[in-house]
Formats: sequence, C-alpha cells, structure tokens
Amino acid sequence: QKEVEQNSGPLSVPEGAIASLNCTYSDRGSQSFFWYRQYSGKSPELIMSIYSNGDKEDGRFTAQLNKASQYVSLLIRDSQPSDSATYLCAVRSSGSARQLTFGSGTQLTVLP
Amino acid sequence: GAGVSQSPRYKVAKRGQDVALRCDPISGHVSLFWYQQALGQGPEFLTYFQNEAQLDKSGLPSDRFFAERPEGSVSTLKIQRTQQEDSAVYLCASSLVGTGQETQYFGPGTRLLVL
Repeated sequence: QKEVEQNSGPLSVPEGAIASLNCTYSDRGSQSFFWYRQYSGKSPELIMSIYSNGDKEDGRFTAQLNKASQYVSLLIRDSQPSDSATYLCAVRSSGSARQLTFGSGTQLTVLP
Repeated sequence: GAGVSQSPRYKVAKRGQDVALRCDPISGHVSLFWYQQALGQGPEFLTYFQNEAQLDKSGLPSDRFFAERPEGSVSTLKIQRTQQEDSAVYLCASSLVGTGQETQYFGPGTRLLVL
C-alpha cells in the first residue's frame, strides 16, 4: 500500500464547474499537507498547504483536512481550462523527516 | 536568484556514463532536497541536506547515486555508471528551516535520458 493515495484520473469537468480532488495517507502522525499543481513538462508549483483539521480557502481553491479519516481534499471552484494539470498531494510525515511523500497525482482536464 | 535553478535542463547519457546534475537553491534557503520523478508518477525523495550536512540519504536507490553540498549552497547529484532505469526527471527543492511547515520550492528539473 502506497503511503499517499490519489485517484489517478483522468478527471474531466466542464468549465465553471467544481473539481474535487481527493487524497488519503497512511501515516496517522502526519502533520503537514500540501497540494501541488504540475503542468506537463514543468515542475510542481505549490497551490495550498494545510496543517489543521477543517477547511482552508484561498481564492478559488479550498483544501479540506480530516486527520481522523486520514483524508485531504482540494476543491477548485469555477474551474478554468488553465486549471488543466496534474495535481499532486504531498504529505510530510511525523518525526524528524522533512521530505515530502507524494501521491501519483490526479490529472485534471477542464473542458471549455 | 528568484527561484531554484537546475542545470542542465536535459541530459542524454549512454549507459555506463557518469552524469552530474546541479542545483542552485533560493538564496538563504538552508534545506535542500533531491527528488526523482518517473513518467506518470509523483516525485520520490532521494536525499536531504541542511546546510552542508546530508541528514537523510535513505531514498538514494543505489550506491551509484551520490549527492553533495560542500558549502551549504549549490548541490550536485552524481550518478555513476548510469542505467536505463535511471531515466527520469530529477527535481531539486529548497526551503527555509523552520517548523516543518515550510514550503518546498521546486526547480525546473533535469530530464535525464539514458540510452
């Protein structure tokens, strides 16, 4: 079992719709959670970070964290074609480790 | 500089050749990470430096992989006797040392193709 699991997709939504991306993780002691966006052939770019249970909103993006369920999600409201990319969920585990553990990514396509 | 830079951006190597990949972190960032990203996968951790000290190299896949950061700034990832399975994008990331909530900023990556 991978430490960070994401639906690989592809996920297609029409322009203006809400895109919902999900991620589960196995290390119950994980403290820091990140969503990165990666366009094809480019490097990952941070979209959101979340550290405590609940919702965190930034513009059209909302991250949701439920540590009891070991679940983190990203909602993209009013999806735009420019949001089409692969979204990577990353988790920093408990303890002294500082590296991120990534999921395989969910490929999102927003259809005009 | 404004961001993390890496060179070369592309490298084609013949199997058995040694390669060296360079990373320039964001100025002032103490932590530096190397990740390997295979096609269609998320990045996988290779090694971590805090200043010049390599604190974690648990992700290096074999003893053919070696990384250094002698002055606590620029880092080099060296792969000896490259194999076809080493073909991947090698990403460098840097961050401030802080609470562990620090954001890691990624460079553009070096795309390595071993023939």
